[in-house]
Amino acid sequence: GQQVMQIPQYQHVQEGEDFTTYCNSSTTLSNIQWYKQRPGGHPVFLIQLVKSGEVKKQKRLTFQFGEAKKNSSLHITATQTTDVGTYFCAGVGVTGGGNKLTFGTGTQLKVEL
Amino acid sequence: EAQVTQNPRYLITVTGKKLTVTCSQNMNHEYMSWYRQDPGLGLRQIYYSMNVEVTDKGDVPEGYKVSRKEKRNFPLILESPSPNQTSLYFCASSLFGGPSYEQYFGPGTRLTVT
Repeated sequence: GQQVMQIPQYQHVQEGEDFTTYCNSSTTLSNIQWYKQRPGGHPVFLIQLVKSGEVKKQKRLTFQFGEAKKNSSLHITATQTTDVGTYFCAGVGVTGGGNKLTFGTGTQLKVEL
Repeated sequence: EAQVTQNPRYLITVTGKKLTVTCSQNMNHEYMSWYRQDPGLGLRQIYYSMNVEVTDKGDVPEGYKVSRKEKRNFPLILESPSPNQTSLYFCASSLFGGPSYEQYFGPGTRLTVT
């Protein structure tokens, strides 16, 4: 079945440093979503990318969808303590009916002052 | 307020004692699903429902049952819980009949099976 892996699993940064998490799917995706889960909270939708090579920005966050639609990345510029949490990508495969959303394994970000 | 609610939020039970975790959404969403979250494994889909009376297995359905008799409710049933079902469970819903839309998650249910 479809698998979505994320690296790294954990990342500790100093406040002000940049952060990137990478998402890789075993199959081609029709779209990819990104979610953020604060400690003790539930996943919250950040953004969805649909087009091959698409790049979207939300303030200090930059999201990219690969040309082959099998990988994606989230880059945070100048991290802040409010960025702490676990970031998940989630994708829908182009095969198999397109009814299942597969989440990545997540990247836990810790930001130290 | 638009939301997804789950009950209970915390549950400690014993092996073999049937339990139900309720999930309800007030947004008239068609698509609903259940996930379990385990360290290092991310969120894994248990079951999903495209609409009323339409349910299908996700990636880890063994040991779970669901039903979708009403649009707003999607309960998760563990007929005979086992310790390997100890996990954090999330219910989610989305507006249209498919997963390719923003998922709204409930607050989670932390289940411990001893």
